[in-house]
Amino acid sequence: SQKIEQNSEALNIQEGKTATLTCNYTNYSPAYLQWYRQDPGRGPVFLLLIRENEKEKRKERLKVTFDTTLKQSLFHITASQPADSATYLCAKDSNYQLIWGAGTKLIIKP
Amino acid sequence: DVKVTQSSRYLVKRTGEKVFLECVQDMDHENMFWYRQDPGLGLRLIYFSYDVKMKEKGDIPEGYSVSREKKERFSLILESASTNQTSMYLCASSIAGGYNEQFFGPGTRLTVL
Repeated sequence: SQKIEQNSEALNIQEGKTATLTCNYTNYSPAYLQWYRQDPGRGPVFLLLIRENEKEKRKERLKVTFDTTLKQSLFHITASQPADSATYLCAKDSNYQLIWGAGTKLIIKP
Repeated sequence: DVKVTQSSRYLVKRTGEKVFLECVQDMDHENMFWYRQDPGLGLRLIYFSYDVKMKEKGDIPEGYSVSREKKERFSLILESASTNQTSMYLCASSIAGGYNEQFFGPGTRLTVL
């Protein structure tokens, strides 16, 4: 079955540094990968979508890469801020649905 | 802005009760989804609907049913609530097509005693 794996341990980063989160998937490469942010007690909010023929996608301080050989996507936040602290979810498409990772909690320390 | 609203933020029910969770979206989206989210397990799809009166089972439909009588409204029904259905329930919507971004409601924290 399709699986998405994200690091279950919280990631602690010093303010101003670049945070890098990993998303690994199994089986065939998806046509799309999506990244969402989720704050405690709230629903996820869409951040970025990257297609399989795109190596990299950027939006302000965010950057996502997609490596179909490694079956991996990396999510980077540059010049991180305490306000970036949240759980970040990765999702891949599968049969017109999304398969979700459990998310990685990111903590940016001042 | 797309808005997805859910009928309750917190709900406490007794075992065996019938529970209704309502979700409404205001952007004329074709697709609507119900997920549950438990610690360490991520979002798991219960049911989804790609059109009025259409529904498809997700990964964990047992113990749940859904209703979509109008395009903007998608209801999740727990026929006989059990303690293992204590969870966060999230509704989402998206435009037609399989891979478009999903817009989520704030979630309903359901506790079954």
